[in-house]
Amino acid sequence: DAGVIQSPRHEVTEMGQEVTLRCKPISGHNSLFWYRQTMMRGLELLIYFNNNVPIDDSGMPEDRFSAKMPNASFSTLKIQPSEPRDSAVYFCASIGQGALSNQPQHFGDGTRLSIL
Amino acid sequence: AQTVTQSQPEMSVQEAETVTLSCTYDTSESDYYLFWYKQPPSRQMILVIRQEAYKQQNATENRFSVNFQKAAKSFSLKISDSQLGDAAMYFCAYRTNTGNQFYFGTGTSLTVIP
Repeated sequence: DAGVIQSPRHEVTEMGQEVTLRCKPISGHNSLFWYRQTMMRGLELLIYFNNNVPIDDSGMPEDRFSAKMPNASFSTLKIQPSEPRDSAVYFCASIGQGALSNQPQHFGDGTRLSIL
Repeated sequence: AQTVTQSQPEMSVQEAETVTLSCTYDTSESDYYLFWYKQPPSRQMILVIRQEAYKQQNATENRFSVNFQKAAKSFSLKISDSQLGDAAMYFCAYRTNTGNQFYFGTGTSLTVIP
């Protein structure tokens, strides 16, 4: 059974460039989460979707960040324009709805983003 | 909003010994769920153990067990017979009963000394 799939695994780009991170949740899961992890701030929730609808985007740092979920099997997190302080590991996680609430989030392997 | 606190940024343990990682949380809910995740250097987030707040019995998974003290809002993780492969960052997480929101602590970095 495939887990949460994120791409790319690593991304290095120059400041000012547009960055797009991708996520495919586990089939049948209908809640999807984007997190950012840094040494200074730990694991921060950026946004989460329920049935493809954004429910809470209060963690999105600023307008340069946007996230979409056009269908149940795909989501993107976009940064435009990127800045060096955006360098972090970005995780996507998913969870099934209707399941017992003791269900954990299933995480992808993350994308390590470096903005030069 | 709920908060999760891990007061030990770093811990170390001798191989084969026992170590306890602490976690406290703040909530006004009576029903919720708690988790411990392990993040090794490969950066995968791996579920270690989970606990339902309505259960009085502490969860156990092989060498991993929890000490859940609901009144004190404490949820510590005990690792027995520590192994080199246990070296990782450990995150405590809280899930509300009313939605899919998760709250994570800042993590404890565990070193296992051979």
